[in-house]
Amino acid sequence: DIQMTQSPSSLSASVGDRVTITCRASQDIINYLAWFQQKPGKAPKSLIYAASSLQSGVPSRFSGSGSGTDFTLTISSLQPEDFATYYCQQYNDYPLTFGGGTKVDIK
Amino acid sequence: QVRLVESGGGVVQPGRSLRLSCDASGFSLRAHAMHWIRQAPGKGLEWVAVMSFDENDKDYADSVKGRFTISGDSSKSTLYLQMNSLRVEDTAVYYCAREGLGPLNDAFDIWGQGAMVTVSS
Repeated sequence: DIQMTQSPSSLSASVGDRVTITCRASQDIINYLAWFQQKPGKAPKSLIYAASSLQSGVPSRFSGSGSGTDFTLTISSLQPEDFATYYCQQYNDYPLTFGGGTKVDIK
Repeated sequence: QVRLVESGGGVVQPGRSLRLSCDASGFSLRAHAMHWIRQAPGKGLEWVAVMSFDENDKDYADSVKGRFTISGDSSKSTLYLQMNSLRVEDTAVYYCAREGLGPLNDAFDIWGQGAMVTVSS
C-alpha cells in the first residue's frame, strides 16, 4: 500500500497568512494527488485534483503543486472560512490512501 | 443540481448486517465510478470500496473484503453498501463519493453528507 504522510499535523495561523501543507507519498504517484477540506461535523469537500488543478468553484487562493512523491497545498491568504482539516489522497493505485490530515486553527 | 444523499445508518450489534444507500441526483450513475469512504470518530479518512461506471469492476479495502459488497441500481440512481458480519471497528461515518471524469480527473469530486454506523452490543 502507498503511505501518505502529511506535515504538519496541525498549525495555528491568522487571517491573511500564507499557509503551506506538505504531503509525501511512499512511492511515485506521478501527479495522481487530490486535496480535500473538512470542517467539523461536515463531509469532506474536494479542492484539488491532479496535484494542481482546482475543482470547480474553489477559490483561487488555494493552489497545489508537486509531482512524484512530494506535494504541497498552499492557501495564499487565509480566510475565516478556511479554518478546517485538510487531507491529501493518492489515486494512483488501489487501495486508495489518505494522509493523516492537517488541522488549521486560529492563532 | 449534482447531489449524493446517504441513508440507512444506525446502531447494530456485532455480527449483524446493515445496508447503506446513496441516492444520486443530477447525473447518471452509469457515467461515473462510485466509492465508499469511512471515517471513524475522531479519526481520518479510510477508503472502503469502489465500483466502476459499468458495475463490472469492484474492489475493496482489505479491512472489509469478504464482508462488504458494493452494488448499484442505475434505474433508481442508487448506490449500495451491504455490510455483513459487522465489527466494533466498523463504527464510522460512511460517505459515498463520485469519481470525476477525464484524464487525471478521476479523483473524488462530489461527496455525500455521510451516514453514521455504530456497531455496539
